[in-house]
Amino acid sequence: AQRVTQPEKLLSVFKGAPVELKCNYSYSGSPELFWYVQYSRQRLQLLLRHISRESIKGFTADLNKGETSFHLKKPFAQEEDSAMYYCALSLYNFNKFYFGSGTKLNVKP
Amino acid sequence: GAGVSQSPRYKVAKRGQDVALRCDPISGHVSLFWYQQALGQGPEFLTYFQNEAQLDKSGLPSDRFFAERPEGSVSTLKIQRTQQEDSAVYLCASSRGRNTDFSTDTQYFGPGTRLTVL
Repeated sequence: AQRVTQPEKLLSVFKGAPVELKCNYSYSGSPELFWYVQYSRQRLQLLLRHISRESIKGFTADLNKGETSFHLKKPFAQEEDSAMYYCALSLYNFNKFYFGSGTKLNVKP
Repeated sequence: GAGVSQSPRYKVAKRGQDVALRCDPISGHVSLFWYQQALGQGPEFLTYFQNEAQLDKSGLPSDRFFAERPEGSVSTLKIQRTQQEDSAVYLCASSRGRNTDFSTDTQYFGPGTRLTVL
């Protein structure tokens, strides 16, 4: 079975502080990992995917197959980063996503 | 262009009532997905269509749940004899359906329908 774990329900940091949202997965194959974000009163949207190796809005995430992790990081958090963040896993060429339970990031002024 | 739309946005049903939730995907998107999101949880996969074909319905929790996409565009998720445990946000997502061996196509989500069963 595929599982995605986000251990923190809520993460509060001050503006300008580094932030790391944790995501661990369990799957023996080679999945594709994503981070989705949901801002207040908006729909769920893709933030980044590991295959793209991009930095989006200052966020990066590295897939660590040894630790089966895909943590989301940003060196300097901004108030507009406050949102719900979901880590998700998909098997290549499949169309089923497995989501974690989400972490609410609260960036305080 | 317009994104994925869902209607109604909110639905209150009495236990035992049947409900129908509608999803309008992005025009031209081949793939369509339904998810159920309980309070405090992430979305959970229900079912997947490619055009009008329902290729995976492994996530439907019971035979009270039924989804269709007869013309390969609009989809309806029907829940018969609703129960309190059906209360959740139901999300629809669509994608172009251009998966490769190396990448899953991006899914675009609708705003969801919040179903409350009393």
